[in-house]
Amino acid sequence: RKEVEQDPGPFNVPEGATVAFNCTYSNSASQSFFWYRQDCRKEPKLLMSVYSSGNEDGRFTAQLNRASQYISLLIRDSKLSDSATYLCVVNMRQAGTALIFGKGTTLSVSS
Amino acid sequence: DAGVTQSPTHLIKTRGQHVTLRCSPISGHKSVSWYQQVLGQGPQFIFQYYEKEERGRGNFPDRFSARQFPNYSSELNVNALLLGDSALYLCASSLALASPTGELFFGEGSRLTVL
Repeated sequence: RKEVEQDPGPFNVPEGATVAFNCTYSNSASQSFFWYRQDCRKEPKLLMSVYSSGNEDGRFTAQLNRASQYISLLIRDSKLSDSATYLCVVNMRQAGTALIFGKGTTLSVSS
Repeated sequence: DAGVTQSPTHLIKTRGQHVTLRCSPISGHKSVSWYQQVLGQGPQFIFQYYEKEERGRGNFPDRFSARQFPNYSSELNVNALLLGDSALYLCASSLALASPTGELFFGEGSRLTVL
């Protein structure tokens, strides 16, 4: 079983749609959780951290369920510029940063 | 301010050769990590260096090695290249050993093709 698994996608949605990505992780000792965004042929960039209480940043909402080992990202009112690959990321280590990435889910927003 | 810079951006090698990839972190960042991203997959952790010492190693064979210099720049070396080593190699930097926000700053990567 992969350490971090994501919906394979691709997700093709019209502008203004709401889209949700899901992710599960296998190791209950995972310390911290994130969503990164990667544009085509570019480097990954941090989108947002994910907290147990849930957190929101504008149109983006992230949720973490430690009991189910499940992470989600909700994007409301999709924009063309949201088209990218969204990577679910887990950090296993208390000391150090060794991020474990999922395969990513590709989102394509069309007009 | 300059971000993370990597060189070369693209390179082609043949099986059995070796390659050296270079990375300069953001000024003031003391930790450098290396990741391998094969097409269609997420990045996979190779190494983390902090203050010139290896502080983490992923599940990669001994053909992969790295080091960090006193100016915090880093090199990734891969010996006896295999076709499967073809990938985008990403360098990431952070201020400290652990990044509480989870934010690693990635360079644009070195795209290696092994023929």
